[in-house]
Amino acid sequence: GAGVSQSPRYKVTKRGQDVALRCDPISGHVSLYWYRQALGQGPEFLTYFNYEAQQDKSGLPNDRFSAERPEGSISTLTIQRTEQRDSAMYRCASSLGGTDLLYGYTFGSGTRLTVV
Amino acid sequence: GQQVMQIPQYQHVQEGEDFTTYCNSSTTLSNIQWYKQRPGGHPVFLIQLVKSGEVKKQKRLTFQFGEAKKNSSLHITATQTTDVGTYFCAPHGSSNTGKLIFGQGTTLQVKP
Repeated sequence: GAGVSQSPRYKVTKRGQDVALRCDPISGHVSLYWYRQALGQGPEFLTYFNYEAQQDKSGLPNDRFSAERPEGSISTLTIQRTEQRDSAMYRCASSLGGTDLLYGYTFGSGTRLTVV
Repeated sequence: GQQVMQIPQYQHVQEGEDFTTYCNSSTTLSNIQWYKQRPGGHPVFLIQLVKSGEVKKQKRLTFQFGEAKKNSSLHITATQTTDVGTYFCAPHGSSNTGKLIFGQGTTLQVKP
């Protein structure tokens, strides 16, 4: 598609439920990134992929968070047993990437997750 | 890991005044990117700086990378209300990773 698409735009879930956030990157973009952004803060790195390979998951807060990109295109960020502290804007970005670091990211509009 | 400090955190200017935000690191950066996020929007890529002492211009915006590659700045000449937003600097975590580490940003308000 023309841009990075994230769904849903808004998600309200009860504490303890699992949620899955979807990211559809720009076609042909090698790299896909997940960030979390609190109000008034910069995006905080969670994890990223080159093609289907997860390159770095050092930013995932704990083992309730996981991500996959099985076919090197669409990615899903899953949060199990959600807690109120998980409430945030979750942002996905993609770039032409790969081993060339000269490309900027294109961000999606984000998923606003609220855990009640 | 790579961390940067952005100053100031907030800046209010009168339309037509100039604005500068600074991004400082204690370690040498391989490169740095700048992003703008409008209120309620998502970060949008502005530019990447790679070389020591590099200066790049985009209309009223001037980006600089320090000689030691430990700091960077964004200067806006004659601000307009359309410049309102938060400006983030973001170096790569290291020279061999694609991940960016974002600063906390500088939020610019412009009074018409």
